[in-house]
Amino acid sequence: DAMVIQNPRYQVTQFGKPVTLSCSQTLNHNVMYWYQQKSSQAPKLLFHYYDKDFNNEADTPDNFQSRRPNTSFCFLDIRSPGLGDAAMYLCATSQDSSYNEQFFGPGTRLTVL
Amino acid sequence: TQLLEQSPQFLSIQEGENLTVYCNSSSVFSSLQWYRQEPGEGPVLLVTVVTGGEVKKLKRLTFQFGDARKDSSLHITAAQPGDTGLYLCAGAVSGGSYIPTFGRGTSLIVHP
Repeated sequence: DAMVIQNPRYQVTQFGKPVTLSCSQTLNHNVMYWYQQKSSQAPKLLFHYYDKDFNNEADTPDNFQSRRPNTSFCFLDIRSPGLGDAAMYLCATSQDSSYNEQFFGPGTRLTVL
Repeated sequence: TQLLEQSPQFLSIQEGENLTVYCNSSSVFSSLQWYRQEPGEGPVLLVTVVTGGEVKKLKRLTFQFGDARKDSSLHITAAQPGDTGLYLCAGAVSGGSYIPTFGRGTSLIVHP
């Protein structure tokens, strides 16, 4: 089945220790998104790629970076995680011609000690 | 200011009750999506509405898009504990960015 996969599902890191979250998709969608979600709140968009073009949200901290080496993979790098970065991180994809429908991965729950 | 106002924010009901969740805006949307998110999982797309006045049904869930494409509602009939989750509406403004905006979400708990 075509899908969006996120690894790992749970990640524990220490304060200030860099961490990388990964996302892969078999949908061949041209847009990939990274969201941060805190308890029972709506997802907050951090950035997205339209093909190879990177688009950063204005209020995304510099601590968050992303890479998209090819269509299928996208990575979220948190350079120096703080306690406030503990959250669920969601990857999503969409095809620009499909009424903006997004397909989400299961998320990575990040804990910062 | 939230582009998509979603209400109520929290809903706690008994099994068998009916409920409606609203998503309102002053902007016109080219399309609007409803998602359900279970605890610890990513949101799952339930439906997309595109045409003003459109009504779509998914078992006990009924989705409606306003005639002016500025609002939408989700009605659940005879709610079951399995309906528990966070319901999110999202849409892209007509003529605007392809990036969808999310409402704040409605956290629903259905008690057995």
